[in-house]
Amino acid sequence: KQEVTQIPAALSVPEGENLVLNCSFTDSAIYNLQWFRQDPGKGLTSLLLIQSSQREQTSGRLNASLDKSSGRSTLYIAASQPGDSATYLCAVTPTTSGTYKYIFGTGTRLKVLA
Amino acid sequence: KAGVTQTPRYLIKTRGQQVTLSCSPISGHRSVSWYQQTPGQGLQFLFEYFSETQRNKGNFPGRFSGRQFSNSRSEMNVSTLELGDSALYLCASSPEAGAESGYTFGSGTRLTVV
Repeated sequence: KQEVTQIPAALSVPEGENLVLNCSFTDSAIYNLQWFRQDPGKGLTSLLLIQSSQREQTSGRLNASLDKSSGRSTLYIAASQPGDSATYLCAVTPTTSGTYKYIFGTGTRLKVLA
Repeated sequence: KAGVTQTPRYLIKTRGQQVTLSCSPISGHRSVSWYQQTPGQGLQFLFEYFSETQRNKGNFPGRFSGRQFSNSRSEMNVSTLELGDSALYLCASSPEAGAESGYTFGSGTRLTVV
């Protein structure tokens, strides 16, 4: 059974710091991995989608890497800003036949202090 | 381009009642998935529809049901509401049958059962 873990559960950093969020999954048989951001009480905003054949994706100050063999992904945020404060979720799509659903991690709650 | 639209945004219902939530996917998207988010259980998969057919169902009781219409709009229904059904219900859509394109989420419907 696929399990997704995110460490740390919460993180508080001063503005301007570079930071790394971690996501681990137990089964490497995945179609892809997606990072999301969720603001309090709101829906999910997609940040980056990494296909199983890819190693990383970049968008602006965000860079996500994927090491399928070790079951790990990292989200790197450069020069953090107070507007980056949110909960960050990673999700994988297992390749179990006919199953196109996300297994979500528990999230990392990030607070960037001005 | 309009995103995924969920209505209503907020609902308050009494135990024992039933409720119907609506989701309009991004134009051209044919796959719609539903998720439940609670503080204790996180994000959990409810079901997924493609071309009016339910392809996948999560581990939820039969009180949770859904359907998809020919225009790809989807509804989910919860009958005999319980206090534990209070949650944020999120809908997501994808262009294709598979997960290659990732999913785009709506803002959710916040259901409170009293």
